[in-house]
Amino acid sequence: EDQVTQSPEALRLQEGESSSLNCSYTVSGLRGLFWYRQDPGKGPEFLFTLYSAGEEKEKERLKATLTKKESFLHITAPKPEDSATYLCAVHPMDSSYKLIFGSGTRLLVRP
Amino acid sequence: GAGVSQTPSNKVTEKGKYVELRCDPISGHTALYWYRQSLGQGPEFLIYFQGTGAADDSGLPNDRFFAVRPEGSVSTLKIQRTERGDSAVYLCASSLGGGTSYEQYFGPGTRLTVT
Repeated sequence: EDQVTQSPEALRLQEGESSSLNCSYTVSGLRGLFWYRQDPGKGPEFLFTLYSAGEEKEKERLKATLTKKESFLHITAPKPEDSATYLCAVHPMDSSYKLIFGSGTRLLVRP
Repeated sequence: GAGVSQTPSNKVTEKGKYVELRCDPISGHTALYWYRQSLGQGPEFLIYFQGTGAADDSGLPNDRFFAVRPEGSVSTLKIQRTERGDSAVYLCASSLGGGTSYEQYFGPGTRLTVT
């Protein structure tokens, strides 16, 4: 069964304190892995798509990496405005175009 | 340009009632998706449209749930005989096409509460 597990469930950082969020996945085959950001009361906002092991993508203070079993979202010198829930999702090879999401990591960055 | 819009933003209904939730995708997007998100969980896939047809409805939990997209643009998710367990945020997303390379853009969601 295709599955996505994110850890930790919640993370508190001090402003400027870098850290990483983990997304472990089990799929029969991977078309793509997605990272989204979700603010309270809003829909998920697209961040990155990764397609193959070894791929990396960056956007401002965020960098996403992918291996054959997991993805990491690295946050460098975070600011309070980075506080949000970060969702990881996979697009399995044997499905239509639905995404399978993890439960997310709630990030709080304190000033 | 305008993003995905969903109406209403909030809906409170009594158990057993019928509800309709509407989604207006980004103009020109041929693919449309419905997801359901419970508190503290990630979105859960319900149904995917390519154009007017439902290409994958494997996520619909039972036959009380139905969705249409008659003209290939606006979509309506319909829930009959609502139950308290249907309470959740219903999210709509759209993309240029139905492939991994096409990013799914989400709307703000409709929060459904069944009392």
